[in-house]
Amino acid sequence: NAGVMQNPRHLVRRRGQEARLRCSPVKGHSHVYWYRQLPEEGLKFMVYLQKENIIDESGMPKERFSAEFPKEGPSILRIQQVVRGDSAAYFCASSPLVQGSNEKLFFGSGTQLSVL
Amino acid sequence: RKEVEQDPGPFNVPEGATVAFNCTYSNSASQSFFWYRQDCRKEPKLLMSVYSSGNEDGRFTAQLNRASQYISLLIRDSKLSDSATYLCVVNIGSWGKLQFGAGTQVVVTP
Repeated sequence: NAGVMQNPRHLVRRRGQEARLRCSPVKGHSHVYWYRQLPEEGLKFMVYLQKENIIDESGMPKERFSAEFPKEGPSILRIQQVVRGDSAAYFCASSPLVQGSNEKLFFGSGTQLSVL
Repeated sequence: RKEVEQDPGPFNVPEGATVAFNCTYSNSASQSFFWYRQDCRKEPKLLMSVYSSGNEDGRFTAQLNRASQYISLLIRDSKLSDSATYLCVVNIGSWGKLQFGAGTQVVVTP
């Protein structure tokens, strides 16, 4: 019974390149969340998605960042034209479609993005 | 002001001793409270939920004070394996939009 799978574990990009981070939720989970953790800081909520829908993207920077969770396949967090300030650990979490249990999140191991 | 504030520590604790620390939250509408544990910036893992009446899970005791808007965690009989960063987490909605503190580092020494 696999947990939340994120890949790659480490991603190195040069300034101006694109970064694509993938997240496969726990099997059967239909809610996906992306969090970002900057050095020496706590995790910050970015976006909440259900299959084919963005429910809350209030934590996403307005430009360069986008997220999707298609009907088939993993959720993707895409960062265009990366800058050094995007260097962080990006964690994905999922939860099942059961009312009242959405707050019990299962986290993936994260993707450490380093922008050179 | 941060939404969830924690003393970053580190709290250096001899093995077998007791350690306790708090966190404060700013949003009085907060509904759910948790302690997570994070090792070396790996994925956070749920340690325990925090209930209004206080709750215990083995050597761990959590308390919630809604009036003063703080949460506490107490670890008894500390083990070396308890060394980690403890994240105070608050949920202000009905789903997983969690607010994380920056963490309190605990170092248990032999």
